[in-house]
Amino acid sequence: GAGVSQTPSNKVTEKGKYVELRCDPISGHTALYWYRQSLGQGPEFLIYFQGTGAADDSGLPNDRFFAVRPEGSVSTLKIQRTERGDSAVYLCASSGRQGTPLHFGNGTRLTVT
Amino acid sequence: GQQLNQSPQSMFIQEGEDVSMNCTSSSIFNTWLWYKQDPGEGPVLLIALYKAGELTSNGRLTAQFGITRKDSFLNISASIPSDVGIYFCAGQLGGTSYGKLTFGQGTILTVHP
Repeated sequence: GAGVSQTPSNKVTEKGKYVELRCDPISGHTALYWYRQSLGQGPEFLIYFQGTGAADDSGLPNDRFFAVRPEGSVSTLKIQRTERGDSAVYLCASSGRQGTPLHFGNGTRLTVT
Repeated sequence: GQQLNQSPQSMFIQEGEDVSMNCTSSSIFNTWLWYKQDPGEGPVLLIALYKAGELTSNGRLTAQFGITRKDSFLNISASIPSDVGIYFCAGQLGGTSYGKLTFGQGTILTVHP
């Protein structure tokens, strides 16, 4: 079936604005993850959902970042009062039962001007 | 936090040559993973290693999980132009940290025909 879908693929916003990034996981996958990848670096963990609840949000850098997954499928990463340092590729991944590999989407490239 | 040191940072090789890259950690992991990322796409899983000392192959790729659980290497034999990309190692603790991967900085591979 279809892979992990992320929209938009690119987002340019001005400093101080609010943005939402969307992730559609693979159908049936109960676990969903958000990672952030800065230029020239590997992805860094942000938050992990098991079903509707955030099982681990220890990677969120500060309280400007928030993510939801209200129905246990689609997830939205929300960033308030964006800063230029938030510019990065935001990757979403999903997986089935525990122990199965993560499948990543192609990411949303966020640029804060 | 945990850090993964991946080397080399970049490699320029001729088609047909073998390639080796490795990853070391200051902490132990229970799973080691190797991913490949092409421009504009998310990481794609190449090999997963679940036991210390495990040696696993996937076509021309071979990877090993170090005995100390603090390192792993990836070999690519008889490289071809489509091997070009960025290779990332990732460590996973598992348990309640399942899905929370720690990535290395990546190895950029260039293959000259």
